[in-house]
Amino acid sequence: AQTVTQSQPEMSVQEAETVTLSCTYDTSENNYYLFWYKQPPSRQMILVIRQEAYKQQNATENRFSVNFQKAAKSFSLKISDSQLGDTAMYFCAFMRGIQGAQKLVFGQGTRLTINP
Amino acid sequence: DTEVTQTPKHLVMGMTNKKSLKCEQHMGHRAMYWYKQKAKKPPELMFVYSYEKLSINESVPSRFSPECPNSSLLNLHLHALQPEDSALYLCASSQDRTGGRTDTQYFGPGTRLTVL
Repeated sequence: AQTVTQSQPEMSVQEAETVTLSCTYDTSENNYYLFWYKQPPSRQMILVIRQEAYKQQNATENRFSVNFQKAAKSFSLKISDSQLGDTAMYFCAFMRGIQGAQKLVFGQGTRLTINP
Repeated sequence: DTEVTQTPKHLVMGMTNKKSLKCEQHMGHRAMYWYKQKAKKPPELMFVYSYEKLSINESVPSRFSPECPNSSLLNLHLHALQPEDSALYLCASSQDRTGGRTDTQYFGPGTRLTVL
């Protein structure tokens, strides 16, 4: 079974700072996908970024980037120039890369607060 | 357009009531999911439909009954629920591509269910 661990229950930074959220996972699979989702107080689960395990290049989406270390089974999220709207619960998630619809395995989440 | 809609936004029901949650997507996705999320916890998968057929049931009690009338619609019928079933119910959809590739799950805004 796959597990996802987020070791930081809460983080708080000042606006415009850079913040890194940690995520580690455990799997025996070689083909899989990793995701970061954010869930603001409005509760909508929003995709932030996605990484395919077979790609060595780290994914980036504007101010969001990941540091994917496959051998170490680590998948951290870096938010640059943080904004008040980044305040949310952030979930790291794992999905197997086999055929067919697969469930997302989520970490416990990191509550991120951006202070003005 | 990556929109998944859910109705109602809020639902309060008694333990003897019968109600239904509705989820709709028009992205041509062929996989649809129900997740249950308790406060301050990550979502937990309940059911997966792939090509309108139930493909995963995570040992959910029979008082929850899913239905997929067509490829765009997913319902969750509720009957004789318990107060501990109070939670945020999230619907998601994804492409369920052939050739072994799964794809990103996009979530709806959720239905906040309270069972009295």
